[in-house]
Amino acid sequence: DQQVKQNSPSLSVQEGRISILNCDYTNSMFDYFLWYKKYPAEGPTFLISISSIKDKNEDGRFTVFLNKSAKHLSLHIVPSQPGDSAVYFCAGAGGTSYGKLTFGQGTILTVHP
Amino acid sequence: DTEVTQTPKHLVMGMTNKKSLKCEQHMGHRAMYWYKQKAKKPPELMFVYSYEKLSINESVPSRFSPECPNSSLLNLHLHALQPEDSALYLCASSQTQWGPQHFGDGTRLSIL
Repeated sequence: DQQVKQNSPSLSVQEGRISILNCDYTNSMFDYFLWYKKYPAEGPTFLISISSIKDKNEDGRFTVFLNKSAKHLSLHIVPSQPGDSAVYFCAGAGGTSYGKLTFGQGTILTVHP
Repeated sequence: DTEVTQTPKHLVMGMTNKKSLKCEQHMGHRAMYWYKQKAKKPPELMFVYSYEKLSINESVPSRFSPECPNSSLLNLHLHALQPEDSALYLCASSQTQWGPQHFGDGTRLSIL
């Protein structure tokens, strides 16, 4: 039972353009969502989060949008840079197991110069 | 530089060995976590410690034994592991269980 899904295994974008990474979830108990970036041979790095009381959160080049009715969130990176090339994971948390992050399968983002 | 430090970075052990993975953070976080990540898969939660007490055990086999000696340290004791336990083991910490988790770079474990 995959509670968090990232349906695009990979995404390729030109430098300077927008990258949009998508994530869907099925667990209606989730009320907190996070995005992580992972380079090879490193642990995941926290990027940005959003709680279910908001529909948008912004931090520099990164914006996360949450559509609760559709159980969908997205991460926008503007402008994209070659250093953004990495695997991006979305994760959900909430309900009685707070502290348990459930991750999606990840999307490999490649930003071409 | 990661603020969660894991040692060793790599570990190769036989199925009869006993070894320990160590994790340390000095950010004053009161929640610490162990995750397991197989190749091309997302991290999967194993254990959560909150204020040095075990709060979540995701039905992990008893050959994995966590320990939280103090608020800065988290250990994972390994005994009689199986080849399928070969994976990247990630430690994370957060201020409380209700905050973003910050990960170390992991220990790459190989079971012969």
